[in-house]
Amino acid sequence: IAGITQAPTSQILAAGRRMTLRCTQDMRHNAMYWYRQDLGLGLRLIHYSNTAGTTGKGEVPDGYSVSRANTDDFPLTLASAVPSQTSVYFCASSRQSVTGELFFGEGSRLTVL
Amino acid sequence: AQSVTQLGSHVSVSEGALVLLRCNYSSSVPPYLFWYVQYPNQGLQLLLKYTSAATLVKGINGFEAEFKKSETSFHLTKPSAHMSDAAEYFCAVSHGSGNTGKLIFGQGTTLQVKP
Repeated sequence: IAGITQAPTSQILAAGRRMTLRCTQDMRHNAMYWYRQDLGLGLRLIHYSNTAGTTGKGEVPDGYSVSRANTDDFPLTLASAVPSQTSVYFCASSRQSVTGELFFGEGSRLTVL
Repeated sequence: AQSVTQLGSHVSVSEGALVLLRCNYSSSVPPYLFWYVQYPNQGLQLLLKYTSAATLVKGINGFEAEFKKSETSFHLTKPSAHMSDAAEYFCAVSHGSGNTGKLIFGQGTTLQVKP
């Protein structure tokens, strides 16, 4: 089934550790995104990529980095995790069109202790 | 800067009753507006979108929304609630040009449907 695959689905992490959340899509969408979801705040954009080889910062990029080496993969890295990064992280993709819609993965729940 | 405000973090209706979820936006340019639904432990999926065509937009599962520029609103409605509609709903806005994945989301409204 076509779509977005995120891994891991859930992780508990000690503060200060490095963590990479993986995201793979098989829809050949040009654009990919990472959002974090926090209660009462909705979803906030962390980083995005309009096409392979390019990335950009969203609303809350600090403490996160991304790379886009190819069309399908868009990993999110926390270089040194802090408790405020406890959240549910969603990867999404879209066709590069004006009226495109986002397709979301099922999320990665991260707890930083 | 664009923003979205969803009025009411929780809405409770009886099965068969009207569903009304409120969304107001601010945007300095003509907006593209979206409603997404999130079922428990799942990602978001698109319910409907407004992209400057008809102001009354019909989506999946019997939902619809009306774009009212004078009121800067994009409220979501469904004439008759079903138990399966219980979920969290998010309103979102984008610039309407270029990369529309850079959505600004509202805080979300949890819809409870009582039997």
